[in-house]
Amino acid sequence: DGGITQSPKYLFRKEGQNVTLSCEQNLNHDAMYWYRQDPGQGLRLIYYSQIVNDFQKGDIAEGYSVSREKKESFPLTVTSAQKNPTAFYLCASRTTWRALYGYTFGSGTRLTVV
Amino acid sequence: GENVEQHPSTLSVQEGDSAVIKCTYSDSASNYFPWYKQELGKGPQLIIDIRSNVGEKKDQRIAVTLNKTAKHFSLHITETQPEDSAVYFCAAQGGGADGLTFGKGTHLIIQP
Repeated sequence: DGGITQSPKYLFRKEGQNVTLSCEQNLNHDAMYWYRQDPGQGLRLIYYSQIVNDFQKGDIAEGYSVSREKKESFPLTVTSAQKNPTAFYLCASRTTWRALYGYTFGSGTRLTVV
Repeated sequence: GENVEQHPSTLSVQEGDSAVIKCTYSDSASNYFPWYKQELGKGPQLIIDIRSNVGEKKDQRIAVTLNKTAKHFSLHITETQPEDSAVYFCAAQGGGADGLTFGKGTHLIIQP
């Protein structure tokens, strides 16, 4: 079955530590997205990528970094510069040649600072 | 850029009654409007969508209406069931390359 996989499901970060969240898709989708979800805030866009080796900042990119070395993979690094990283992180993908279609989401990673 | 407003933030209905969630958008160039359902601890799932050349779309107990002139669209759930309890998000596809803009979500509670 095709889908989008996020790992780990739960992640704990110590103060001053960088952590990387994995996102892999086998849907042959061109575009991939990272969202942060906080209670009552909806989904806020962190970074997105339309093609391999290219990505753009979203609304809340500060303290985060990404890479897109392969079409299937779009990992997100939460750096020590992100002062309030505790949140639920969602990865999504979609095809770009059929623009009027929605995203497929992963099941999310819950990051907690300890 | 696009801005999507969603109301209400919480909606409680009796099982079997109907539920309506409303969204407005700002970018008149937006042409695609999906709705997502998110259960606790899971990623959002697409439940229905509508394109700008259509005014209404129905799928069993779920329907979506779109008024392009007023720039608003609504989700209608009839004969609500306990499994409909979840957070629902509306979204709009604007003219930019950054994809969908989401509303802040509605927590739908089905009272037995």
